[in-house]
Amino acid sequence: SAVISQKPSRDICQRGTSLTIQCQVDSQVTMMFWYRQQPGQSLTLIATANQGSEATYESGFVIDKFPISRPNLTFSTLTVSNMSPEDSSIYLCSVERVQAYGNEQFFGPGTRLTVL
Amino acid sequence: QKEVEQDPGPLSVPEGAIVSLNCTYSNSAFQYFMWYRQYSRKGPELLMYTYSSGNKEDGRFTAQVDKSSKYISLFIRDSQPSDSATYLCAMSANTGGFKTIFGAGTRLFVKA
Repeated sequence: SAVISQKPSRDICQRGTSLTIQCQVDSQVTMMFWYRQQPGQSLTLIATANQGSEATYESGFVIDKFPISRPNLTFSTLTVSNMSPEDSSIYLCSVERVQAYGNEQFFGPGTRLTVL
Repeated sequence: QKEVEQDPGPLSVPEGAIVSLNCTYSNSAFQYFMWYRQYSRKGPELLMYTYSSGNKEDGRFTAQVDKSSKYISLFIRDSQPSDSATYLCAMSANTGGFKTIFGAGTRLFVKA
């Protein structure tokens, strides 16, 4: 398994500001994933972060809005920039572990963001 | 059309009931099918993992995949209040998180 922690667990922010979310894993991983979970909507992949290279963003997400850092194999940050109320969501960090049946994903507890 | 459709509920059942949760999908390339359980204020955790068609049973939980109908189900027998959570279906064509598509999740309440 993987133990993943996220900081902060929740925050309330003003529009136009930025928030950086931290993700810490208990062991080294190659790829870390950042997801957004909006009420009533699917868990949506924002980007994949590899250590030592630029993050890969999914369609609809851009680096200027969601810059990601991956300084080492156990840590990553996601910044939500120039926030608007539409950014209110739960942001989840995830990693994979290779199991006998395939790759299993483990998720952090999430960061609940409210933008006023 | 969304790649994965899942009724968000909420679904409320009495303790001991059999629960049926379902998802439909449109991409015939999906081969890996998963169910995640997410408690309030927690991240999703993997509950069941199925490759291709067929049934898989684990205790009170049974996962079914019907690829011909593009339909998957999760059955919970003898439901307990501790089963109250959001259940997300997920699927992918290849094993690997970056290829996984999630449903919106169904909120389940099991009343004591």
